[in-house]
Amino acid sequence: SQTIHQWPATLVQPVGSPLSLECTVEGTSNPNLYWYRQAAGRGLQLLFYSVGIGQISSEVPQNLSASRPQDRQFILSSKKLLLSDSGFYLCAWSSGGADTQYFGPGTRLTVL
Amino acid sequence: AQKVTQAQTEISVVEKEDVTLDCVYETRDTTYYLFWYKQPPSGELVFLIRRNSFDEQNEISGRYSWNFQKSTSSFNFTITASQVVDSAVYFCALRDPYSNSGYALNFGKGTSLLVTP
Repeated sequence: SQTIHQWPATLVQPVGSPLSLECTVEGTSNPNLYWYRQAAGRGLQLLFYSVGIGQISSEVPQNLSASRPQDRQFILSSKKLLLSDSGFYLCAWSSGGADTQYFGPGTRLTVL
Repeated sequence: AQKVTQAQTEISVVEKEDVTLDCVYETRDTTYYLFWYKQPPSGELVFLIRRNSFDEQNEISGRYSWNFQKSTSSFNFTITASQVVDSAVYFCALRDPYSNSGYALNFGKGTSLLVTP
């Protein structure tokens, strides 16, 4: 069966510091991968989407970037964090673009 | 525009009561996909069900049931004989083919369900 991992689980970072969040998927190959952010108030928004290694699509302009160095690895990064980057970051995978998205356990980021 | 509305922000019920969570959606597409997810206090989003617009059969899975009505653009979720473990935030979502990727999920704001003993 497929498993999706995210780390770290929680992170507290000062404003202006860099960020690297990692997501890995097991038990499947060539998945579609997604980064969502859940801000206060519970709304979830898709940030990035990837159909393959090195292929990244951005949904909204922002301070963050994403990379996919390996088939089942998806990384969310920032060079300089802003207060507004605080939130709960969820990684998800699907077999195909139109298939059901399955979510990881999430990373709670607090920027102080 | 694609839009999902969950009008109930919070619901509180006593264990063993039945509870229905409402979801109303807006779309200009004739083919679309709806989802329900559960978010327990741990934070992980747990997939519950996916419904395609061309399949209007209602679904039952144990204590969970879903009522999909295209005529009213609603996809409501009922928990029968609720249990404390059902306490969570429940999200309804609609796939947005007009997003950059074509596959973003448009989520409602969620309904927080509290089941007390």
